[in-house]
Amino acid sequence: QSVLTQPPSASGTPGQRVTISCSGSRSNIGSNIVNWYQQVPGTAPKFLIYSNNQRPSGVPDRFSGSKSGTSASLAISGLQSEDEADYYCAAWDDSLNGWVFGGGTKLTVL
Amino acid sequence: EVQLVESGGGLVQPGGSLRLSCAASGFTFSTYDMHWVRQATGKGLEWVSAIGSAGDTYYSGSVKGRFTISRENAKKSLYLQMNSLRAGDTAVYYCARGIPIDYWGQGTLVTVSS
Repeated sequence: QSVLTQPPSASGTPGQRVTISCSGSRSNIGSNIVNWYQQVPGTAPKFLIYSNNQRPSGVPDRFSGSKSGTSASLAISGLQSEDEADYYCAAWDDSLNGWVFGGGTKLTVL
Repeated sequence: EVQLVESGGGLVQPGGSLRLSCAASGFTFSTYDMHWVRQATGKGLEWVSAIGSAGDTYYSGSVKGRFTISRENAKKSLYLQMNSLRAGDTAVYYCARGIPIDYWGQGTLVTVSS
């Protein structure tokens, strides 16, 4: 059972906008920034969003992040087939004194 | 170019020990916090341990007391000494850089089985 809760799956058709939620608590998302990672199965995770809503260099602006209270969201607009991957949220947890990840959301592009 | 290359994985019996290494290049290793993150087959990412640039260490509850993270800045290397290994420790172990984590190695597989 992950400390951060994500839906196990999400889907959309090419061109659509999809959102993936990440729910936490006061000790993690409520107090700290959220980061997002993309992982194509069989490969290492890729840095996608940091500080709730910032994109590292090279990440398309189709990807955006937001945070409100103890929840965060990742939005992907103009969905493309190459976006099919697993997505993870992460945050520091003040109570656990460590980093916590969401359980991951498998995005399928129909 | 930032590169992180893990080594030291393999098959070990329950109760045994293993030492993972991560060779870093392409950045000033000594100035970055470093992490170990693991992923069991078909499962999600699980943060294991971190070490700050000043040598401060952090562990997840599931490995505290069994695993020890360390670094050797002169060799640009990160280590994870894993003792009292259990079947539940079976996973791909990734070395990762920074806060937030911005680069990941390709991982090394640790299998704990008799």
